[in-house]
Amino acid sequence: SQELEQSPQSLIVQEGKNLTINCTSSKTLYGLYWYKQKYGEGLIFLMMLQKGGEEKSHEKITAKLDEKKQQSSLHITASQPSHAGIYLCGAYLSGGYQKVTFGTGTKLQVIP
Amino acid sequence: DTAVSQTPKYLVTQMGNDKSIKCEQNLGHDTMYWYKQDSKKFLKIMFSYNNKELIINETVPNRFSPKSPDKAHLNLHINSLELGDSAVYFCATGRGGMNTEAFFGQGTRLTVV
Repeated sequence: SQELEQSPQSLIVQEGKNLTINCTSSKTLYGLYWYKQKYGEGLIFLMMLQKGGEEKSHEKITAKLDEKKQQSSLHITASQPSHAGIYLCGAYLSGGYQKVTFGTGTKLQVIP
Repeated sequence: DTAVSQTPKYLVTQMGNDKSIKCEQNLGHDTMYWYKQDSKKFLKIMFSYNNKELIINETVPNRFSPKSPDKAHLNLHINSLELGDSAVYFCATGRGGMNTEAFFGQGTRLTVV
């Protein structure tokens, strides 16, 4: 099994709907990152969370890290076609400080 | 002015060939990485360099040899290419440490035929 699991694996939503993507680990998450990737392109940094209970928002995207620092969620409000892509969470895991381990990815499609 | 640039963007080659992918960064970061993204979009670290020194080698076959001529460059050379090497390879850089993000290049899509 992967050290960092994301759910769901894929998601199709109607434009205007809200959605949530989860990122879970059995290890403590340090320096939790959310990235977005469009097909054929590199990863675009969205947000970084470090402290348990931390929450950050940018435009219509909100990311949270739970108090135990083992789960993060990414919430998109009133989704738009421009939100479509692959969302990846990445983190420094306890015992792996020198590398960022990435989650399994969530493919998001937004239907107009 | 691209912060992390990789060349080429696409690479199609035959099995058994040797190829190189180049990565250059103008961010002044000390740490550079190579990641491999497979067909299922899973992104896995291959190598990490800090100040031109190898820090991490994630059990990558020795056909893959990274080379860092200076802090701004980390190239990836692959010998005797195999079908299973087909993937997207990403170069990334960072200041190192858990409180900074990594900046990614656009990726190189390698197809071995």
